[in-house]
Amino acid sequence: QKEVEQDPGPLSVPEGAIVSLNCTYSNSAFQYFMWYRQYSRKGPELLMYTYSSGNKEDGRFTAQVDKSSKYISLFIRDSQPSDSATYLCAMSAQGAQKLVFGQGTRLTINP
Amino acid sequence: DADVTQTPRNRITKTGKRIMLECSQTKGHDRMYWYRQDPGLGLRLIYYSFDVKDINKGEISDGYSVSRQAQAKFSLSLESAIPNQTALYFCATSDPTGGAYNEQFFGPGTRLTVL
Repeated sequence: QKEVEQDPGPLSVPEGAIVSLNCTYSNSAFQYFMWYRQYSRKGPELLMYTYSSGNKEDGRFTAQVDKSSKYISLFIRDSQPSDSATYLCAMSAQGAQKLVFGQGTRLTINP
Repeated sequence: DADVTQTPRNRITKTGKRIMLECSQTKGHDRMYWYRQDPGLGLRLIYYSFDVKDINKGEISDGYSVSRQAQAKFSLSLESAIPNQTALYFCATSDPTGGAYNEQFFGPGTRLTVL
């Protein structure tokens, strides 16, 4: 079993829809939770990060962490075609030297 | 100019050939990483280095070797390439003083095809 599981999709939704992307994990030591966005033919870029449990909002994006369920989510409101990309969750433990990535979900927003 | 650069961007080679992928960074970060990305498997860590004298194996280091020539340069070698090493390869850097969450900055990737 992988430490981090993410549905690879692909996921296709109409413009303006609310998108929910999710990851589950098995390592209870994970404290830092990140979402990276990767456009086609580019490297991943950090989109949001959250420490421990709770929510974090940045514009149209909201990251949620539920440590009791070992489940994290990224919500995109009013989705735009420019949001079309692969979204990767990533996690690390306190003091960890490495990130553990999910498989990535390929998202397409249709105009 | 990009902070993390990778050369070449694309490479097609034959089974058994030795291949070197190069990564350079201008961010001044001590930590550098090599990942490979395969469809459905996400990013998997090959090797990482926390300074010029520090080299560590990642989860899939077999068949690969690395060299940290300077703080700014980290090369990945495939001594004898095989077809299942066909993948997208990414170099990344991070600064441990920049935040406990260890944000990593990625290069644009090298698409390697082994025939």
